[in-house]
Amino acid sequence: QQQVKQSPQSLIVQKGGISIINCAYENTAFDYFPWYQQFPGKGPALLIAIRPDVSEKKEGRFTISFNKSAKQFSLHIMDSQPGDSATYFCAASGDNQGGKLIFGQGTELSVKP
Amino acid sequence: EAGVAQSPRYKIIEKRQSVAFWCNPISGHATLYWYQQILGQGPKLLIQFQNNGVVDDSQLPKDRFSAERLKGVDSTLKIQPAKLEDSAVYLCASSLDPGGEQFFGPGTRLTVL
Repeated sequence: QQQVKQSPQSLIVQKGGISIINCAYENTAFDYFPWYQQFPGKGPALLIAIRPDVSEKKEGRFTISFNKSAKQFSLHIMDSQPGDSATYFCAASGDNQGGKLIFGQGTELSVKP
Repeated sequence: EAGVAQSPRYKIIEKRQSVAFWCNPISGHATLYWYQQILGQGPKLLIQFQNNGVVDDSQLPKDRFSAERLKGVDSTLKIQPAKLEDSAVYLCASSLDPGGEQFFGPGTRLTVL
Protein backbone atom coordinates (compact mmCIF):
# COMPACT_ATOMS: atom_id res chain seq x y z
CA GLN A 1 0.00 0.00 0.00
CA GLN A 2 3.04 2.22 0.32
CA GLN A 3 4.02 1.77 -3.32
CA VAL A 4 3.92 4.35 -6.07
CA LYS A 5 3.94 2.77 -9.53
CA GLN A 6 5.38 4.80 -12.40
CA SER A 7 5.29 4.25 -16.15
CA PRO A 8 6.78 4.16 -18.69
CA GLN A 9 10.28 3.17 -17.63
CA SER A 10 11.74 5.06 -20.59
CA LEU A 11 10.36 7.53 -23.12
CA ILE A 12 11.68 8.98 -26.35
CA VAL A 13 10.02 12.13 -27.67
CA GLN A 14 10.80 14.42 -30.57
CA LYS A 15 11.65 18.04 -29.88
CA GLY A 16 8.44 20.04 -29.63
CA GLY A 17 6.36 17.01 -28.70
CA ILE A 18 4.46 16.23 -25.51
CA SER A 19 5.99 13.95 -22.89
CA ILE A 20 3.56 12.14 -20.59
CA ILE A 21 4.54 10.16 -17.51
CA ASN A 22 2.01 8.39 -15.32
CA CYS A 23 1.91 7.35 -11.67
CA ALA A 24 -0.55 5.41 -9.54
CA TYR A 25 -0.80 4.99 -5.79
CA GLU A 26 -2.80 2.94 -3.30
CA ASN A 27 -2.55 4.77 0.01
CA THR A 28 -5.51 7.16 0.28
CA ALA A 29 -3.71 8.97 3.12
CA PHE A 30 -1.24 10.46 0.64
CA ASP A 31 -1.94 14.16 0.19
CA TYR A 32 1.18 15.56 -1.46
CA PHE A 33 2.39 14.52 -4.91
CA PRO A 34 5.65 16.04 -6.17
CA TRP A 35 7.58 15.37 -9.34
CA TYR A 36 11.37 15.43 -9.27
CA GLN A 37 13.82 15.86 -12.14
CA GLN A 38 17.25 14.25 -11.93
CA PHE A 39 20.20 14.80 -14.25
CA PRO A 40 23.12 12.35 -14.31
CA GLY A 41 25.46 12.87 -11.37
CA LYS A 42 23.04 15.22 -9.62
CA GLY A 43 20.51 14.82 -6.87
CA PRO A 44 16.77 15.02 -7.64
CA ALA A 45 15.31 18.55 -7.81
CA LEU A 46 11.68 19.44 -7.22
CA LEU A 47 9.95 20.29 -10.50
CA ILE A 48 6.30 20.74 -9.59
CA ALA A 49 3.93 19.43 -6.92
CA ILE A 50 0.20 19.11 -6.35
CA ARG A 51 -2.20 18.47 -3.49
CA PRO A 52 -5.51 16.61 -3.97
CA ASP A 53 -7.69 19.70 -3.60
CA VAL A 54 -7.06 20.58 -7.26
CA SER A 55 -7.18 18.42 -10.39
CA GLU A 56 -4.51 20.24 -12.35
CA LYS A 57 -1.51 22.47 -11.76
CA LYS A 58 0.52 24.19 -14.45
CA GLU A 59 3.93 25.83 -14.21
CA GLY A 60 5.33 26.93 -17.54
CA ARG A 61 5.60 23.91 -19.83
CA PHE A 62 4.99 21.45 -16.98
CA THR A 63 1.50 20.33 -15.92
CA ILE A 64 0.37 17.83 -13.30
CA SER A 65 -3.02 16.21 -13.82
CA PHE A 66 -4.51 14.55 -10.74
CA ASN A 67 -7.38 12.04 -10.61
CA LYS A 68 -8.27 11.41 -6.98
CA SER A 69 -10.92 8.76 -7.63
CA ALA A 70 -8.57 6.73 -9.83
CA LYS A 71 -5.62 7.38 -7.50
CA GLN A 72 -3.52 8.44 -10.45
CA PHE A 73 -1.50 11.50 -11.40
CA SER A 74 0.56 12.38 -14.41
CA LEU A 75 3.20 14.82 -15.60
CA HIS A 76 2.85 16.47 -18.99
CA ILE A 77 5.79 18.29 -20.53
CA MET A 78 4.64 20.48 -23.40
CA ASP A 79 6.97 21.54 -26.23
CA SER A 80 9.62 19.10 -24.97
CA GLN A 81 13.21 20.26 -25.43
CA PRO A 82 16.52 18.36 -25.52
CA GLY A 83 17.39 20.06 -22.21
CA ASP A 84 14.45 18.22 -20.64
CA SER A 85 16.28 14.92 -21.15
CA ALA A 86 16.60 13.55 -17.63
CA THR A 87 15.10 10.99 -15.28
CA TYR A 88 11.76 11.97 -13.76
CA PHE A 89 10.41 10.59 -10.49
CA CYS A 90 6.95 10.92 -9.09
CA ALA A 91 6.55 10.70 -5.34
CA ALA A 92 3.87 10.77 -2.67
CA SER A 93 3.65 11.67 0.97
CA GLY A 94 1.04 12.19 3.65
CA ASP A 95 0.67 14.33 6.75
CA ASN A 96 0.97 11.21 8.88
CA GLN A 97 4.23 10.30 7.13
CA GLY A 98 6.26 13.13 8.65
CA GLY A 99 7.49 14.27 5.26
CA LYS A 100 8.64 10.82 4.15
CA LEU A 101 8.51 10.60 0.36
CA ILE A 102 7.66 7.36 -1.42
CA PHE A 103 9.22 7.50 -4.89
CA GLY A 104 8.19 5.82 -8.11
CA GLN A 105 10.71 3.82 -10.10
CA GLY A 106 11.60 6.66 -12.44
CA THR A 107 11.21 7.43 -16.16
CA GLU A 108 14.22 8.13 -18.32
CA LEU A 109 13.17 10.78 -20.85
CA SER A 110 15.14 11.42 -24.01
CA VAL A 111 14.11 14.33 -26.23
CA LYS A 112 15.53 14.02 -29.73
CA PRO A 113 16.42 17.20 -31.66
CA GLU B 1 22.08 30.11 -0.70
CA ALA B 2 24.42 27.12 -0.51
CA GLY B 3 22.85 23.75 -1.25
CA VAL B 4 23.18 20.43 0.52
CA ALA B 5 26.80 19.32 0.56
CA GLN B 6 27.90 15.70 0.54
CA SER B 7 31.27 13.99 0.59
CA PRO B 8 32.88 12.00 -0.74
CA ARG B 9 31.28 12.02 -4.19
CA TYR B 10 32.57 8.55 -5.04
CA LYS B 11 33.79 5.62 -2.95
CA ILE B 12 34.94 2.15 -3.94
CA ILE B 13 35.45 -0.46 -1.21
CA GLU B 14 35.74 -4.22 -0.83
CA LYS B 15 32.90 -6.16 0.74
CA ARG B 16 33.10 -6.43 4.52
CA GLN B 17 34.91 -3.08 4.73
CA SER B 18 33.39 -0.06 6.42
CA VAL B 19 32.55 3.31 4.91
CA ALA B 20 31.17 6.64 6.09
CA PHE B 21 29.38 9.41 4.27
CA TRP B 22 29.01 13.00 5.39
CA CYS B 23 26.21 15.50 4.80
CA ASN B 24 25.94 19.22 5.54
CA PRO B 25 22.34 20.39 5.09
CA ILE B 26 21.13 23.83 4.09
CA SER B 27 21.58 26.25 6.96
CA GLY B 28 18.50 26.41 9.17
CA HIS B 29 16.96 23.20 7.90
CA ALA B 30 15.80 21.18 10.89
CA THR B 31 14.88 18.02 9.00
CA LEU B 32 17.49 15.82 7.37
CA TYR B 33 16.96 12.67 5.30
CA TRP B 34 19.24 9.91 4.02
CA TYR B 35 18.03 8.04 0.94
CA GLN B 36 19.46 5.02 -0.87
CA GLN B 37 19.09 5.05 -4.66
CA ILE B 38 19.91 1.77 -6.36
CA LEU B 39 20.63 2.02 -10.08
CA GLY B 40 17.41 2.17 -12.07
CA GLN B 41 15.20 2.75 -9.01
CA GLY B 42 13.74 5.67 -7.13
CA PRO B 43 15.28 6.87 -3.87
CA LYS B 44 14.29 4.93 -0.75
CA LEU B 45 14.30 6.63 2.64
CA LEU B 46 16.76 5.11 5.10
CA ILE B 47 16.48 7.52 8.01
CA GLN B 48 14.93 10.88 8.88
CA PHE B 49 16.16 13.27 11.57
CA GLN B 50 14.34 16.18 13.16
CA ASN B 51 17.12 18.30 14.64
CA ASN B 52 19.29 15.63 16.30
CA GLY B 53 16.49 13.13 16.98
CA VAL B 54 15.49 10.18 14.80
CA VAL B 55 11.96 10.43 13.38
CA ASP B 56 11.91 7.38 11.11
CA ASP B 57 14.51 4.67 10.69
CA SER B 58 12.12 1.85 9.82
CA GLN B 59 13.93 1.01 6.58
CA LEU B 60 17.48 1.31 7.90
CA PRO B 61 19.27 -2.09 8.06
CA LYS B 62 20.37 -1.55 11.62
CA ASP B 63 22.64 -4.58 11.74
CA ARG B 64 25.06 -2.80 9.41
CA PHE B 65 23.92 0.79 8.91
CA SER B 66 24.10 3.58 11.47
CA ALA B 67 23.57 7.32 11.28
CA GLU B 68 23.91 10.25 13.60
CA ARG B 69 23.26 13.95 13.52
CA LEU B 70 25.20 15.46 16.36
CA LYS B 71 24.22 19.04 17.31
CA GLY B 72 21.37 18.89 14.81
CA VAL B 73 23.41 20.08 11.84
CA ASP B 74 25.84 17.78 9.97
CA SER B 75 25.12 14.09 9.67
CA THR B 76 27.11 10.95 8.97
CA LEU B 77 25.87 7.63 7.60
CA LYS B 78 28.04 4.57 8.20
CA ILE B 79 27.97 1.08 6.75
CA GLN B 80 29.86 -1.66 8.56
CA PRO B 81 30.41 -4.23 7.12
CA ALA B 82 29.45 -3.43 3.53
CA LYS B 83 27.79 -5.98 1.25
CA LEU B 84 27.70 -6.13 -2.53
CA GLU B 85 24.02 -5.12 -2.51
CA ASP B 86 24.90 -1.85 -0.76
CA SER B 87 26.25 -0.52 -4.07
CA ALA B 88 24.08 2.54 -4.69
CA VAL B 89 23.98 6.32 -4.59
CA TYR B 90 23.41 7.66 -1.08
CA LEU B 91 21.49 10.91 -1.16
CA CYS B 92 21.14 13.40 1.64
CA ALA B 93 18.25 15.85 1.64
CA SER B 94 17.08 18.57 4.00
CA SER B 95 13.96 20.62 4.56
CA LEU B 96 12.95 23.47 6.84
CA ASP B 97 10.51 21.16 8.59
CA PRO B 98 8.82 17.77 8.07
CA GLY B 99 6.62 17.99 5.00
CA GLY B 100 8.51 20.96 3.60
CA GLU B 101 10.20 20.93 0.21
CA GLN B 102 13.17 18.59 0.28
CA PHE B 103 16.43 19.77 -1.25
CA PHE B 104 18.82 17.03 -2.30
CA GLY B 105 22.58 16.93 -2.35
CA PRO B 106 24.54 15.48 -5.30
CA GLY B 107 24.90 12.09 -3.60
CA THR B 108 27.75 9.70 -2.90
CA ARG B 109 28.14 6.86 -5.36
CA LEU B 110 29.27 3.72 -3.49
CA THR B 111 30.64 0.70 -5.29
CA VAL B 112 31.21 -2.46 -3.23
CA LEU B 113 33.47 -5.01 -4.92
